[in-house]
Amino acid sequence: DGGITQSPKYLFRKEGQNVTLSCEQNLNHDAMYWYRQDPGQGLRLIYYSQIVNDFQKGDIAEGYSVSREKKESFPLTVTSAQKNPTAFYLCASSTDYETQYFGPGTRLLVL
Amino acid sequence: GQQVMQIPQYQHVQEGEDFTTYCNSSTTLSNIQWYKQRPGGHPVFLIQLVKSGEVKKQKRLTFQFGEAKKNSSLHITATQTTDVGTYFCAGQDSSASKIIFGSGTRLSIRP
Repeated sequence: DGGITQSPKYLFRKEGQNVTLSCEQNLNHDAMYWYRQDPGQGLRLIYYSQIVNDFQKGDIAEGYSVSREKKESFPLTVTSAQKNPTAFYLCASSTDYETQYFGPGTRLLVL
Repeated sequence: GQQVMQIPQYQHVQEGEDFTTYCNSSTTLSNIQWYKQRPGGHPVFLIQLVKSGEVKKQKRLTFQFGEAKKNSSLHITATQTTDVGTYFCAGQDSSASKIIFGSGTRLSIRP
């Protein structure tokens, strides 16, 4: 099956801890994106990558980091600098900035 | 920077009534996309509009792209309980390499 997978489905973070959210796609898409969604809110862009080994900051990049070492993978690290990380994190991929295909998301909660 | 506004934020209708959500961009768009997110789920692509004045239909859903390519609407005729969810528009500025999502309209339905 082709698609985007995200893991884990739920993630708990302790104070001062860095956590990494996984995103993998087998759609052969060049572009990948990370969004944050707060309850009842829209999607805010964290980071995006148009090609391997290159990525750009979105609107709310502070406290987050990413890497794009492989075309299929675009992991997101939520660092301890992100003071309010509780949210629903969505990864997406697309080709040529067209239709975005979303993964099932990861819900991050702070203990 | 580019902004995409969407109204209304919420809409609560009786089953069988019609529903419309509107999307307005601060800049001219090269295309606009519509997504649906069911409660607890992830956004799923519905349609893309590219041409000025374009109208597309999917069963009870009618999508329009304005003549100036700065606004769009989604109209649902005779809503059903399966239509519940949040509808997002997403616009791509002709000079941008990313898509900007509107804040979404959450549709709830009284059976």
